[in-house]
Amino acid sequence: EADIYQTPRYLVIGTGKKITLECSQTMGHDKMYWYQQDPGMELHLIHYSYGVNSTEKGDLSSESTVSRIRTEHFPLTLESARPSHTSQYLCASSVERGLSYEQYFGPGTRLTVT
Amino acid sequence: KNQVEQSPQSLIILEGKNCTLQCNYTVSPFSNLRWYKQDTGRGPVSLTIMTFSENTKSNGRYTATLDADTKQSSLHITASQLSDSASYICVVSDRGSTLGRLYFGRGTQLTVWP
Repeated sequence: EADIYQTPRYLVIGTGKKITLECSQTMGHDKMYWYQQDPGMELHLIHYSYGVNSTEKGDLSSESTVSRIRTEHFPLTLESARPSHTSQYLCASSVERGLSYEQYFGPGTRLTVT
Repeated sequence: KNQVEQSPQSLIILEGKNCTLQCNYTVSPFSNLRWYKQDTGRGPVSLTIMTFSENTKSNGRYTATLDADTKQSSLHITASQLSDSASYICVVSDRGSTLGRLYFGRGTQLTVWP
């Protein structure tokens, strides 16, 4: 069982509001990720981090921003939410196992912007 | 372009029956292939992971196979249970990625009926 947590699990918010999705892990993993997933579609990487003070944009362009001030914490922020941001957001962290990386996922945050 | 294609898109079977899910990929150079189970509203949970030197791996009632020559994988579920109802996602990692970045399929939605 992976120790990676996301809050809130569900969020309904109006257009224009600023929101922060929280993600934390207690496994000491250096690498962390944010994915966006729409129903029936594949996960798309939107942000990743190699470690503290390291953040990069992923494959899918996103208006969100992230920060990594502490190893265990990787929050995602939307300065002004729009209906197009409605989606499920999954946080993950990874550890190297032999020749590969094992990724552990949090339970996700289901965001609805009205 | 690196891609992961899964079939069928959805599948309904009766409790106790077996089923096989398919995954074809074009990711290169190949590093490893994973199968994840994602319950509705939850994050994916790893079932199996195989490197290019492995052609089968089991995890309880789940057995994954890999043919690195034809770039195909399958996930066989034996004696299905109601709790097997979920989306099963094939994920491939490329060897050149130090990030541990993954390429995701869209998943097969499995429904097990009593």
